Amino acid sequence: QITLRESGPTLVKPTQTLTLTCTFSGFSLDSDGVGVAWIRQPPGEPLEWLVHIYWNSDRRFNPSLRSRLTITKDTSKNQVVLLMSNMDPADTATYYCAHIPRADTIDFFAHWGLGALVTVSS
Amino acid sequence: QSVLTQPPSVSGAPGQRVTISCTGTRSNVGAGYDLHWYRQYPGTAPQLLIYADTHRPSGVPDRFSGSKSGASASLAITGLQAEDEADYFCQSYDSSLSRYVFGPGTKLVVL
Repeated sequence: QITLRESGPTLVKPTQTLTLTCTFSGFSLDSDGVGVAWIRQPPGEPLEWLVHIYWNSDRRFNPSLRSRLTITKDTSKNQVVLLMSNMDPADTATYYCAHIPRADTIDFFAHWGLGALVTVSS
Repeated sequence: QSVLTQPPSVSGAPGQRVTISCTGTRSNVGAGYDLHWYRQYPGTAPQLLIYADTHRPSGVPDRFSGSKSGASASLAITGLQAEDEADYFCQSYDSSLSRYVFGPGTKLVVL
């Protein structure tokens, strides 16, 4: 059974850097083709893909946010960490991490964490 | 403003069949990129329903099916049930934007 869980602050101030951790189980980020993504959803809005990291440490970034994002993995801890710099109230959203399985198609998000609501406010 | 277009809402009575469309462009679905579908209940995380246009993950009932033709795709739900009332999102990849994209979502109302 694959599970993911996001953890981090619920409130950050404008200009601060957000750090979110995704802790997962049921799969290995050492396995060929596997990845973990971060996706966010502002209140009442559609989903927005942010970034993902693959088993081989290759990364894919949303070009509109690339300069603000950092993603790392710790395979021994089964964790992926997202850093987003220079936070703004417009970044208020629920942040999800999701499992990307190996598949013969464009990446999709087979399993999701429950999400972490992050509010940006002074 | 999403590059994938979905109707804001659809509705149907219990037992009926409904379809939800997702229309893309030449840089995403029309370019041959696969389309995936997710269901999201209020306040919860999305759940994968269909991947690679037509494939159901294990555990998803066969009442759910996907199809695609050209730059348009559809999710069909037969034997509509009250529990199907949720938001449905499509997802693909856009080569012009160089990113994975989601549709704006369609709210399914079971009458």
